[in-house]
Amino acid sequence: EEQLLESGGALVQPGGSLRLSCAASGFTFSDSAMTWVRQAPGKGLEWVSSISGSGGKSYFADSVKGRFIISRDNSKNTMWLQMNSLKVEDTAVYYCAEVPTPIVGTSTYFQLWGQGTLVTVSS
Amino acid sequence: SYGLTQPPSVSVSPGQTARITCSGDVLPKQYAYWYQQKPGQAPVLVIYKDTERPSGIPERLSGSSSGSTVTLTIGAVKAEDEADYYCQSTDNSGTSVFGGGTKLTVL
Repeated sequence: EEQLLESGGALVQPGGSLRLSCAASGFTFSDSAMTWVRQAPGKGLEWVSSISGSGGKSYFADSVKGRFIISRDNSKNTMWLQMNSLKVEDTAVYYCAEVPTPIVGTSTYFQLWGQGTLVTVSS
Repeated sequence: SYGLTQPPSVSVSPGQTARITCSGDVLPKQYAYWYQQKPGQAPVLVIYKDTERPSGIPERLSGSSSGSTVTLTIGAVKAEDEADYYCQSTDNSGTSVFGGGTKLTVL
């Protein structure tokens, strides 16, 4: 069964750092680009970042560019989101999702989703 | 960047047809995708590449496209269809965007 499992969410102070993990199983991880999408409490979905199947290309929303780093290790079937200089407005449930192609482009969509991990940024 | 616009809410009675629109200047050039999200759950893909339906999604759900607007149509609406629906698109630079979401209420 195809599955994504996020972990690493926590309460962190503004200006702090946190690393989220996404463990994949049930599909060929390197054949799929991967994405992080977040949802602030009571708000809509916001795309955060994507990474190609090889890990060679990454993409970021303007709201996190320069603060967040996305990476993956295909030998471990795992993706990470390193979040630095966290702001109160980064508070959200963070979902990882699978893109059914290794390349990110106009055919990019999010086929398989994890259940999410909650990040709370507060003093 | 670019934006996708959805109505905040749509209400229909059981058995009627619900139509949820998503508008954006990029949609004539880029595919649109639709997700259903029920409270406390992760989103689920219901339409891809404007009109295609993933396996397991009921035929009552369909997608269409005309110019700068794409539409998710839900026929013979049931109580279980009550959810938030989001459109999404990705451009050639790898930037993805979601619409603001539409809350479907089944009266």
